[in-house]
Amino acid sequence: DTGVSQDPRHKITKRGQNVTFRCDPISEHNRLYWYRQTLGQGPEFLTYFQNEAQLEKSRLLSDRFSAERPKGSFSTLEIQRTEQGDSAMYLCASSLGGGSNQPQHFGDGTRLSIL
Amino acid sequence: AQSVTQPDIHITVSEGASLELRCNYSYGATPYLFWYVQSPGQGLQLLLKYFSGDTLVQGIKGFEAEFKRSQSSFNLRKPSVHWSDAAEYFCAFSTGTASKLTFGTGTRLQVTL
Repeated sequence: DTGVSQDPRHKITKRGQNVTFRCDPISEHNRLYWYRQTLGQGPEFLTYFQNEAQLEKSRLLSDRFSAERPKGSFSTLEIQRTEQGDSAMYLCASSLGGGSNQPQHFGDGTRLSIL
Repeated sequence: AQSVTQPDIHITVSEGASLELRCNYSYGATPYLFWYVQSPGQGLQLLLKYFSGDTLVQGIKGFEAEFKRSQSSFNLRKPSVHWSDAAEYFCAFSTGTASKLTFGTGTRLQVTL
């Protein structure tokens, strides 16, 4: 069990640029989640995948955000035309199967800073 | 609305003292409940979970939590705190087919030597 891996750990970019983050879940986990955590707050749900299908998106996920999980393995989260308000920690989690009783395992996150 | 409340933003305890972190949830039924811990710049580590059955659940690192349906609470406890327990603690629940987690705002624990 190598855990959930996220890359990069830190990203600094100028406002208006596009950024992409990657998440590699635990290998046998078919569910993958993205959360956003701002300073002093708990993580907030953004979206999740069951295998390669994106099944739910939060209203927090504006049309500048897009997430993919081709082939049901790793996932990417892209933010286009970044804004100051996008500065946050982006966390990825994975779980084995569905059901609310399956605990989610988190990666160390990607911290995004918008200049 | 579904929500999790952690009323204590910051708690300071002495090493060796006991600890209790409070968590209350608002949901129409009994959700699945979790406690996570986050060290600075790190992701979240699962401490323990409650799904059903025994209302006192044991977790890692000597933590335990008690589910009280009548109070909609799921408080985290540890009999003797170690300096390495200093971190941010989040209570969360999950519901529905998405199993997405709803988190509280967290409690920052400081441990004095």
